[in-house]
Amino acid sequence: DTGVSQDPRHKITKRGQNVTFRCDPISEHNRLYWYRQTLGQGPEFLTYFQNEAQLEKSRLLSDRFSAERPKGSFSTLEIQRTEQGDSAMYLCASSLIAGNTGELFFGEGSRLTVL
Amino acid sequence: RKEVEQDPGPFNVPEGATVAFNCTYSNSASQSFFWYRQDCRKEPKLLMSVYSSGNEDGRFTAQLNRASQYISLLIRDSKLSDSATYLCVVTPGGSYIPTFGRGTSLIVHP
Repeated sequence: DTGVSQDPRHKITKRGQNVTFRCDPISEHNRLYWYRQTLGQGPEFLTYFQNEAQLEKSRLLSDRFSAERPKGSFSTLEIQRTEQGDSAMYLCASSLIAGNTGELFFGEGSRLTVL
Repeated sequence: RKEVEQDPGPFNVPEGATVAFNCTYSNSASQSFFWYRQDCRKEPKLLMSVYSSGNEDGRFTAQLNRASQYISLLIRDSKLSDSATYLCVVTPGGSYIPTFGRGTSLIVHP
């Protein structure tokens, strides 16, 4: 399978714990995005990378959230001191720089439940 | 005002019906427009791009009205399998961040 893969698919944690999600984009894609989606809403932008550089981060993103893409390949999204409001689906998507901006290929998502 | 607005629906239509969704966007400098489809508890998938001249793909037609800042999606001869949430996506000019609407839910019934 050469699509975007995310791990874990599901994560249940207690409030205050740290969680980390991993995303492996399509191999030739240079842009990588993280979005968050809650029930009844569209995906909300969190951050994006072009190769290994994190070029933009949502103003709404708490400093408890951090993302990396150390070698311009896979990316991790870490949430520290989780809160119940962090419960959501975390979606990773990748795209080509040369592609039409907005043509994103999504992974199946990592569903986080904070108890 | 949200950057991308959609009527969440649901739109409940019988098989064979024609249904249309609109989406409005606030940034007049927006350059790229798309419709995505999202099935229940699945990831969004690109349905079609929306070009200034409009475009058609089988039963689906997408149009862009820059003057009024909206895009539309028309589905003809609805199938049960068309039941899904349709997400409007807009990328502002000079930005590489696609912005999603909240989606419009479509339910096609027998």
